[in-house]
Amino acid sequence: GAGVSQSPSNKVTEKGKDVELRCDPISGHTALYWYRQSLGQGLEFLIYFQGNSAPDKSGLPSDRFSAERTGGSVSTLTIQRTQQEDSAVYLCASSLVGPYNEQFFGPGTRLTVL
Amino acid sequence: QKEVEQDPGPLSVPEGAIVSLNCTYSNSAFQYFMWYRQYSRKGPELLMYTYSSGNKEDGRFTAQVDKSSKYISLFIRDSQPSDSATYLCAMSGGTYKYIFGTGTRLKVLA
Repeated sequence: GAGVSQSPSNKVTEKGKDVELRCDPISGHTALYWYRQSLGQGLEFLIYFQGNSAPDKSGLPSDRFSAERTGGSVSTLTIQRTQQEDSAVYLCASSLVGPYNEQFFGPGTRLTVL
Repeated sequence: QKEVEQDPGPLSVPEGAIVSLNCTYSNSAFQYFMWYRQYSRKGPELLMYTYSSGNKEDGRFTAQVDKSSKYISLFIRDSQPSDSATYLCAMSGGTYKYIFGTGTRLKVLA
């Protein structure tokens, strides 16, 4: 079946502009995660959605970052007033829910802020 | 100090070599230990996971967890050029929050 898809694959923007990154999880996966991967920094947890529960936003680095998940499926990560330090690969993952959940990752969106 | 430490490499080995990749951690609550492989410009994919201590083998790959030393390893036998990738360790205490290492870049030379 189809895996996690993300769009766009690459995004170049100017400092100060807003960007929206999209994630389509695997059908039937109720859990959805956003991570940021910067050079030499590993994967940094941003936000977690599970069903209709309130999302865990504890990893969002500033109030310029927000995310929503509509209808329990597609998610959008929005970065307002982008800064150069926002340049990174943004990865989305989805999983089933349970004591151990394999997270399936999308290919990521490479964001470059000029 | 980071919760999970991983040598970023790069690590270059000849084809056929045994590769050892390692992570150390500080949080004794971690119980689930994962290894992900990430090819260039792709998302990570799960290679192996281990619950608690011990060894797990899958083909050419062996994962080891030593909770007393807070140390995990991934061994790759008979390494192939197709194994060239970044290997990320990840850990959790049984919740959805994984803590990832920075990843080790591996290059297997033909």
